[in-house]
Amino acid sequence: ILNVEQSPQSLHVQEGDSTNFTCSFPSSNFYALHWYRWETAKSPEALFVMTLNGDEKKKGRISATLNTKEGYSYLYIKGSQPEDSATYLCAFMTGYSTLTFGKGTMLLVSP
Amino acid sequence: GAGVSQSPSNKVTEKGKDVELRCDPISGHTALYWYRQSLGQGLEFLIYFQGNSAPDKSGLPSDRFSAERTGGSVSTLTIQRTQQEDSAVYLCASSWRVAVTEAFFGQGTRLTVV
Repeated sequence: ILNVEQSPQSLHVQEGDSTNFTCSFPSSNFYALHWYRWETAKSPEALFVMTLNGDEKKKGRISATLNTKEGYSYLYIKGSQPEDSATYLCAFMTGYSTLTFGKGTMLLVSP
Repeated sequence: GAGVSQSPSNKVTEKGKDVELRCDPISGHTALYWYRQSLGQGLEFLIYFQGNSAPDKSGLPSDRFSAERTGGSVSTLTIQRTQQEDSAVYLCASSWRVAVTEAFFGQGTRLTVV
């Protein structure tokens, strides 16, 4: 059973604050790391798919980094907005497994 | 359709009844996943189909759960003799190539067993 840990479990910030979350995963047999955003009453939507150690991805104010050797990925949100409020999920895959999700970080951005 | 479609969107059933949940993936996607989210929990993997390979059923919680994927497209998740602990949101997702491309999720089926 693969263990994917996300921290913090929840986070409450003010509009304009920058924030970051952590996803930890097994460092062996790495294949890919996904980040998803899950807004209330909607489906999870992909943010990034990362496959290479040292990968850095960016989409607007959101960016992510990947360290496969030590088994972690960071997701950063610069200048948080209320519409960023959602649960952020990471999912890990080895060459022999399906996508295993962490429990997510619930972000609330107050105006 | 343009996205992953699941039906029904909501299902209330009596304990002991069988239910079928349907997933229509995006056309051409070879990978199909079923997950569920119980109240207060994360996404729990149930089963995974990849092309014509044997499905990965390692996440199915009991032998009351089964799934099939016909013709490499539509998938049906069947829960027999439902129990109250089966109440959850069941999510289906599909992707082009497992792992290296994003998974697209359906809106889910909210199952309530009373």
